[in-house]
Amino acid sequence: GAVVSQHPSRVICKSGTSVKIECRSLDFQATTMFWYRQFPKKSLMLMATSNEGSKATYEQGVEKDKFLINHASLTLSTLTVTSAHPEDSSFYICSARDGDRPLWDQYFGPGTRLLVL
Amino acid sequence: AQTVTQSQPEMSVQEAETVTLSCTYDTSENNYYLFWYKQPPSRQMILVIRQEAYKQQNATENRFSVNFQKAAKSFSLKISDSQLGDTAMYFCAFLIQGAQKLVFGQGTRLTINP
Repeated sequence: GAVVSQHPSRVICKSGTSVKIECRSLDFQATTMFWYRQFPKKSLMLMATSNEGSKATYEQGVEKDKFLINHASLTLSTLTVTSAHPEDSSFYICSARDGDRPLWDQYFGPGTRLLVL
Repeated sequence: AQTVTQSQPEMSVQEAETVTLSCTYDTSENNYYLFWYKQPPSRQMILVIRQEAYKQQNATENRFSVNFQKAAKSFSLKISDSQLGDTAMYFCAFLIQGAQKLVFGQGTRLTINP
């Protein structure tokens, strides 16, 4: 089956620094990738949708300049949390869609836990 | 806008029992998909079952089955012969046909007790 990886699985950073999270599709070409944020015991909130080679489409209320998303290749998307603050601490999950598969078929990464001190 | 509501924040049953998780949704669309995802303690999202709105027959995957009531906009998940490994958060999700954006419910935390 299709596999999506995320790196790192957990990261701790100091307030004011930037942190990058990678999302990779290991055995398929991900024409579209999605970034979600999940607070403890809460649901997944879509942050943005990125298509390879295009600018990401952000959901309402998500700061584009704070959460930089890059999808430069068909197997890699990155989420950079700039000038991180403690309130950015959360669980970040990516998912990817194989361009050769139906639109409903999305594969989720294992998530990245971010803790900002 | 589409919304998905799961009214049961937590549920708990004994191993081998049958449990039903509720989900309702609101949409003006006629063609869409509904999903149940499982998120175990590892936090990895796993697709449990999918239902196409145009299909009247309820989807079934081994011990997992759904009761899809399109007119009532209801989509419940039944887990038969529950196992300890079924312990997880379960999310109901909605997707308009032709779109890519999944809309998730709030989740139900299911605990299977030995």
